[in-house]
Amino acid sequence: QSVLTQPPSVSAAPGQKVTISCSGSSSNIGKNYVSWYQQLPGTAPKLLIYDNDKRPSGIPDRFSGSKSGTSATLGITGLQTGDEADYYCGTWDSSLSAVVFGGGTKLTVL
Amino acid sequence: EVQLVESGGGLVNPGGSLRLSCAASGFTLNNHKMNWVRQAPGKGLEWVSSISSGSNYIYYADSVKGRFTVSRDNAKNSLYLQMNSLRAEDTAVYYCVRVGSGDYFDYWGQGTLVTVSS
Repeated sequence: QSVLTQPPSVSAAPGQKVTISCSGSSSNIGKNYVSWYQQLPGTAPKLLIYDNDKRPSGIPDRFSGSKSGTSATLGITGLQTGDEADYYCGTWDSSLSAVVFGGGTKLTVL
Repeated sequence: EVQLVESGGGLVNPGGSLRLSCAASGFTLNNHKMNWVRQAPGKGLEWVSSISSGSNYIYYADSVKGRFTVSRDNAKNSLYLQMNSLRAEDTAVYYCVRVGSGDYFDYWGQGTLVTVSS
């Protein structure tokens, strides 16, 4: 059971928008920055969003992040079939002195 | 170009030991905190260990505490994970991960598979 809670799966049609939630607590999301990672099938994870809402260079602005209280959200607009992947949120937990991840959300672009 | 290349994975008996290595290139290793993250087959990401740039601060997941030891040699641009008393539940792909300027993982290696089985 993961410290951060994500929906197991989400789906939407090409061109549509989808959001993925990440719920935590005051010791992790409530106190620290959140990052998001994309893992395409058979590959290593890749940084998608850092410090709640910042995109590394090369990540299109179709991807966005936000945080409010003890929850964070990843948004993806203009969905493409190439976006089909597993998405993970992560942050530091100050009480556990550990990095914590969500269980991952599988995105299907129908 | 930043590159992280893991090695040392393989098949090991329960109770056995294995040492993973991560060769870093394309950046100055001693400027970055480093981590190990693992992923069991068909499962999600699990953080394993973190080591600060000067090895002053080291953290472990409860699941590996007392059995795994992380270390680094900045002069050799290398990160290590010594894994002892291995269990079946340690079976996973182990990723070497660089920490960016904050607490996020900005570069990941391709991973090395560790299989614990008799």
